[in-house]
Amino acid sequence: GGIITQTPKFLIGQEGQKLTLKCQQNFNHDTMYWYRQDSGKGLRLIYYSITENDLQKGDLSEGYDASREKKSSFSLTVTSAQKNEMAVFLCASSMHISNERLFFGHGTKLSVL
Amino acid sequence: GQQVQQSPASLVLQEGENAELQCNFSTSLNSMQWFYQRPGGSLVSLFYNPSGTKHSGRLTSTTVIKERRSSLHISSSQTTDSGTYLCAPNYNVLYFGSGTKLTVEP
Repeated sequence: GGIITQTPKFLIGQEGQKLTLKCQQNFNHDTMYWYRQDSGKGLRLIYYSITENDLQKGDLSEGYDASREKKSSFSLTVTSAQKNEMAVFLCASSMHISNERLFFGHGTKLSVL
Repeated sequence: GQQVQQSPASLVLQEGENAELQCNFSTSLNSMQWFYQRPGGSLVSLFYNPSGTKHSGRLTSTTVIKERRSSLHISSSQTTDSGTYLCAPNYNVLYFGSGTKLTVEP
């Protein structure tokens, strides 16, 4: 088995601040994903990375940057936090892109003052 | 993005009752996954189902691709089944529905 570790678990930021969320997986999976979940809603795809050094935009990429530093890690940056923004950011991984079971981390809960 | 509709949005059951959760999607897909999420918790994969019917304990998932629908059946519900159930059709990446929030009362 493996695990996906997201840090930090809770993140409080100021309006306009640049904030970075980190994700590590030890499954040795090729593909990693960042999703955003707003209260009472489903998940929306921000960025994904098919393999090391790859980066693909999801439907919600505007306002975010991502970086796949190495196979096991995938970071997400909120380029300018929006006032009163509150959401959970979920990192996931799968062996390959397409037709593969996804495994999720426990999330980073973001609050912007 | 793709359109994914889940129904009902919320459901309250008495312990022991059965539940049928529906997921409809707009275009043909590669496969379907169902996830369970406890409040404030992570997502746990329940089923990875390209098509047809799969069983796991009290849970049954049925996906009919040409009819663009999938269902999750929970039999003899328990209070520990409470949480949100999310379907996610796979179009190379997963697109998620808004979920069905299930509450099972003792």
